[in-house]
Amino acid sequence: AQKVTQAQTEISVVEKEDVTLDCVYETRDTTYYLFWYKQPPSGELVFLIRRNSFDEQNEISGRYSWNFQKSTSSFNFTITASQVVDSAVYFCARSNMLTFGGGTRLMVKP
Amino acid sequence: EAGVTQFPSHSVIEKGQTVTLRCDPISGHDNLYWYRRVMGKEIKFLLHFVKESKQDESGMPNNRFLAERTGGTYSTLKVQPAELEDSGVYFCASSQLPGQGEETQYFGPGTRLLVL
Repeated sequence: AQKVTQAQTEISVVEKEDVTLDCVYETRDTTYYLFWYKQPPSGELVFLIRRNSFDEQNEISGRYSWNFQKSTSSFNFTITASQVVDSAVYFCARSNMLTFGGGTRLMVKP
Repeated sequence: EAGVTQFPSHSVIEKGQTVTLRCDPISGHDNLYWYRRVMGKEIKFLLHFVKESKQDESGMPNNRFLAERTGGTYSTLKVQPAELEDSGVYFCASSQLPGQGEETQYFGPGTRLLVL
């Protein structure tokens, strides 16, 4: 099976620190999509970003940024100046029909 | 615009009983997906509807699980009879066409099922 691996099961940081969540994927497809979702304590999965395999430009959205490296099959997610509200479980996923990583629980302490 | 809704939010049943989970997708979304996360494992794909048709049910674990989407609107997932290993969180997601698994899927809050 083509897996998605999030090696960090849990990360704890202090507010205002930067934190990077790692995601490594396997695929035999030439065209594919990568996603990040956030699961806050309320439980729903909140969509954060979708990238296609042909677009390796890094993306920044406010305090969030994503680094897609096709050569290493990685799609890492960085939160700059973390806040307590960023505390959640973050999932990386790959198309098709969404293959998910195991999730990384991020705890941001005040 | 209302998001994906799921009912119930929690369900506690005994082994051997039947449970039916419901999902209402975002209005206008023809694609509807079911996923589940059992304790300590990854979120796994169960099946995919395009309107009322099952497009892919390769993730359904066994024939105790039956999904329907009559009329192409809401969907139900029935587990009969429930076993202990069915405990977990069942997520529903919906998306617009083309539904090849590459489009953004929007998830509901999940149903937490506990089988005792």
